[in-house]
Amino acid sequence: EAQVTQNPRYLITVTGKKLTVTCSQNMNHEYMSWYRQDPGLGLRQIYYSMNVEVTDKGDVPEGYKVSRKEKRNFPLILESPSPNQTSLYFCASSLVGHEQYFGPGTRLTVT
Amino acid sequence: AQTVTQSQPEMSVQEAETVTLSCTYDTSESDYYLFWYKQPPSRQMILVIRQEAYKQQNATENRFSVNFQKAAKSFSLKISDSQLGDAAMYFCASSDSNYQLIWGAGTKLIIKP
Repeated sequence: EAQVTQNPRYLITVTGKKLTVTCSQNMNHEYMSWYRQDPGLGLRQIYYSMNVEVTDKGDVPEGYKVSRKEKRNFPLILESPSPNQTSLYFCASSLVGHEQYFGPGTRLTVT
Repeated sequence: AQTVTQSQPEMSVQEAETVTLSCTYDTSESDYYLFWYKQPPSRQMILVIRQEAYKQQNATENRFSVNFQKAAKSFSLKISDSQLGDAAMYFCASSDSNYQLIWGAGTKLIIKP
């Protein structure tokens, strides 16, 4: 089944404790992206990748890191999470220029 | 900067009736894509329909269709025979020259039984 998977789905952590949210797709898509969704603010892009070893900042990259060592994986790293990073996070993938397919979301709470 | 505007924060419709959700966008691109996504209470983002700007024919997917007015930069979504399962947030999005999606703020659709 073609899909984008994210793990974990839910995470509660404390300020400053490094965490990684994994994202994997099995559709051989070149393009992958991370978004955060907050009430009243819609979807905001954090980082994106047009292909392996190519990543670029989106609208809200501060406090986040990404890597794209393999085509299928695009992990999101929070080196020192803060409460303002409490949000719903989505990973998405697509063929370049086409519709994006989304993972199920990861709800992160930073206390 | 490219923008997408959904002017209706919330819409309601009686079950089995038809509803239209509005979306306008602003782009200087000549070739681009437009999308409608649905986000039900499960929070999953689900593609509803896509439209290539170079195609004059409006896209349709079963009960969902669009009214694409390129000159007016308008891209509305029509849902026919509304069902309870259609209740969700609906987001309009357009692609920019870097293949990024620009998102509208969303419209909450309520279905009245």
